[in-house]
Amino acid sequence: DAKTTQPPSMDCAEGRAANLPCNHSTISGNEYVYWYRQIHSQGPQYIIHGLKNNETNEMASLIITEDRKSSTLILPHATLRDTAVYYCIVRAWDNTDKLIFGTGTRLQVFP
Amino acid sequence: NAGVTQTPKFRVLKTGQSMTLLCAQDMNHEYMYWYRQDPGMGLRLIHYSVGEGTTAKGEVPDGYNVSRLKKQNFLLGLESAAPSQTSVYFCASRETGANTEAFFGQGTRLTVV
Repeated sequence: DAKTTQPPSMDCAEGRAANLPCNHSTISGNEYVYWYRQIHSQGPQYIIHGLKNNETNEMASLIITEDRKSSTLILPHATLRDTAVYYCIVRAWDNTDKLIFGTGTRLQVFP
Repeated sequence: NAGVTQTPKFRVLKTGQSMTLLCAQDMNHEYMYWYRQDPGMGLRLIHYSVGEGTTAKGEVPDGYNVSRLKKQNFLLGLESAAPSQTSVYFCASRETGANTEAFFGQGTRLTVV
């Protein structure tokens, strides 16, 4: 699986958009980009994933650059409950992936 | 729908004791995973399974054994616990295919004294 690089921490004001970047410059054509988050030592929670097109669901939007070497997770209106560690993962679609997590970005939403 | 259930939620062991952590999923998923998470760190993969009767090593397998005798259960064993195995353990499962999300249990907090 491709390695990912994320900033260790970010801050965001409540109500503003939180934009979390992820670099995956060695991503292969058959690898998806996944985002999970972990709130206060609970089990990680799936947020969104994509291959090459931008994706949106009720939780967030995922913007993937055209060359697929980086992506951004967008929480459009961050709330205090969005304070968590956010993990960006790339996974192959041939079932060989081990679901390896990096160290993630600790997002702190402040009032 | 219970999802992924871990048993127990908390445990304190003495050095040298053994124990088994149970992960059960009711979603008929093929893939199951065991992770450990140390304070302030990310998740590290211990072992995983791609189907009933199969197991494979992850990033940090030493000191642990696993078994997948039934599709719905994935057991993590510590034969001789050490203080370095004090951690929070998470189990996850997912369906076959890369376009599938993983579901996590709520964790087991293990302290080895």
